Amino acid sequence: AAGVIQSPRHLIKEKRETATLKCYPIPRHDTVYWYQQGPGQDPQFLISFYEKMQSDKGSIPDRFSAQQFSDYHSELNMSSLELGDSALYFCASSLGQPTGELFFGEGSRLTVL
Amino acid sequence: AQKVTQAQTEISVVEKEDVTLDCVYETRDTTYYLFWYKQPPSGELVFLIRRNSFDEQNEISGRYSWNFQKSTSSFNFTITASQVVDSAVYFCALGRNNDMRFGAGTRLTVKP
Repeated sequence: AAGVIQSPRHLIKEKRETATLKCYPIPRHDTVYWYQQGPGQDPQFLISFYEKMQSDKGSIPDRFSAQQFSDYHSELNMSSLELGDSALYFCASSLGQPTGELFFGEGSRLTVL
Repeated sequence: AQKVTQAQTEISVVEKEDVTLDCVYETRDTTYYLFWYKQPPSGELVFLIRRNSFDEQNEISGRYSWNFQKSTSSFNFTITASQVVDSAVYFCALGRNNDMRFGAGTRLTVKP
């Protein structure tokens, strides 16, 4: 069965650079979530989209932005990268709201040097 | 406020032992979901179970079982006859609407 696809799986950037992560949800899933997991930490909710509209916002820095496109894929844009942005970024998708069963992608590991 | 507490930071057992991972949650909502996820060393989050707040039935799936008790706000996870492949970080999570709060995780090491 198709799962949540995230790309790239690994990304290395310098401080102050910009990075974009992509997420392709499970077909027919209408809700996408972004989570950030720092080293040794639990995943922290960043932002979510339902039917291409932002539905909830968590601890997402102002330097980050995200959107969901007409084909339901989502992109997380991170600018002015800082060392502390180094983390595993998970995308998850679900069908409908409120919280259904969240299916997580394998994560994108961002390293900021 | 929503909060999930996994008091056990690390647990180490020998293969074939049974092990229980504790999860205590706080919420003011009457409708919510509880989850367990497994994160192996490879990093992905593997869904194990979802339970809604109205369903207190315990569940068994193979060597895995879950004990949901609303009276104590706990949702504990037991692995019977543990195996080396069970070694991972296990997260308990509380979900409401679009917000899922994870506990800090319990790192389980199963030694041969």
